[in-house]
Amino acid sequence: NAGVTQTPKFRVLKTGQSMTLLCAQDMNHEYMYWYRQDPGMGLRLIHYSVGEGTTAKGEVPDGYNVSRLKKQNFLLGLESAAPSQTSVYFCASSYRDRYEQYFGPGTRLTVT
Amino acid sequence: LAKTTQPISMDSYEGQEVNITCSHNNIATNDYITWYQQFPSQGPRFIIQGYKTKVTNEVASLFIPADRKSSTLSLPRVSLSDTAVYYCLVGDGVSGGYNKLIFGAGTRLAVHP
Repeated sequence: NAGVTQTPKFRVLKTGQSMTLLCAQDMNHEYMYWYRQDPGMGLRLIHYSVGEGTTAKGEVPDGYNVSRLKKQNFLLGLESAAPSQTSVYFCASSYRDRYEQYFGPGTRLTVT
Repeated sequence: LAKTTQPISMDSYEGQEVNITCSHNNIATNDYITWYQQFPSQGPRFIIQGYKTKVTNEVASLFIPADRKSSTLSLPRVSLSDTAVYYCLVGDGVSGGYNKLIFGAGTRLAVHP
């Protein structure tokens, strides 16, 4: 079991560029989440999904879009990157709500 | 949303027991209390979860008083490898259409030789 994997691990973007972060899990989990973590702070929920084909907004959804076309994958898109989106992005999955979330290793994104 | 308050940082020494207390005065009836651990450059890792009284696993214990307005994570005999940030979360998951599991700033635990 690879658990939760994230691609890429690092990325540098220029303001206005777009990109997609890929999250994959092999645990057959129903729920998947995208968080961002800024230096010295806790994680903030961007979007989440409670099943294939569903997505919902979290605490800080502006500037991001997501898709869950397959149960095992959860994609996070930035259509027009801004310096304020410089952060570490974590993906997580869980069997259902109230169950523990398993986190990926993170993607470090810098927007210049 | 249930908000949590934890100490910003704590220091301890190897072999000591560490207790980290989290305050959650407006916890709701359906809310669970969950603790995560995060090492630098890694994603958080689940430690323990409870609803009331005491829960123990191979890593830690979680004490929850009857009023559930606070909880204490207890780490027995810490080692240098326990140096990390510890997050207390309160919520009932995604029920109601919104994930109430909010990660605060956490408690930075430093274990010294």
